[in-house]
Amino acid sequence: RKEVEQDPGPFNVPEGATVAFNCTYSNSASQSFFWYRQDCRKEPKLLMSVYSSGNEDGRFTAQLNRASQYISLLIRDSKLSDSATYLCVVNMENSGYALNFGKGTSLLVTP
Amino acid sequence: DARVTQTPRDKVTEMGQEVTMRCQPILGHNTVFWYRQTMMQGLELLAYFRNRAPLDDSGMPKDRFSAEMPDATLATLKIQPSEPRDSAVYFCASGSGDGANYGYTFGSGTRLTVV
Repeated sequence: RKEVEQDPGPFNVPEGATVAFNCTYSNSASQSFFWYRQDCRKEPKLLMSVYSSGNEDGRFTAQLNRASQYISLLIRDSKLSDSATYLCVVNMENSGYALNFGKGTSLLVTP
Repeated sequence: DARVTQTPRDKVTEMGQEVTMRCQPILGHNTVFWYRQTMMQGLELLAYFRNRAPLDDSGMPKDRFSAEMPDATLATLKIQPSEPRDSAVYFCASGSGDGANYGYTFGSGTRLTVV
């Protein structure tokens, strides 16, 4: 079982829609959580960290549920430029430094 | 903006040949990672260094892969001999000591095709 699991999608949504992605992780001792964004044929880029109390950055809201080992990302008012793959990331078991990536959820925002 | 620089950008090679990929981490970053990305497996950690010392290379096939950091400005990943199943995008990422809290910066990758 992969340590970080995501629904691969694709999620096809119209501009302006709200879309939510979920992710589960297996390491109950994980302390660091992130969402990365990856455009086609590009490198992953940090979108936002995920904090225990939940956090928001503009149209993006991240939530963490430690009891259920579940992370979510909500995108409001979707833009065409939000089309990308969203990677759920958790620090690796037995490692304070290395990050474990989910396979990603593909989002396509259409006009 | 500070960048992680990887070379070459693309590499096509024949099976059995040696391949060397290079990475220049962001100046001042002391943690460097090598990841491999394929459609099937996603991003997999191959090896990583902290203050130039290898901390974990358990994700690497030891018989053909080697990773080194000869100095603070250069990390290398070598495959010898290369095989078609090594075809993937290889990413280098770097960060400072608290990168596990604030994330890491990736280079643009080396797209390797072994024929």
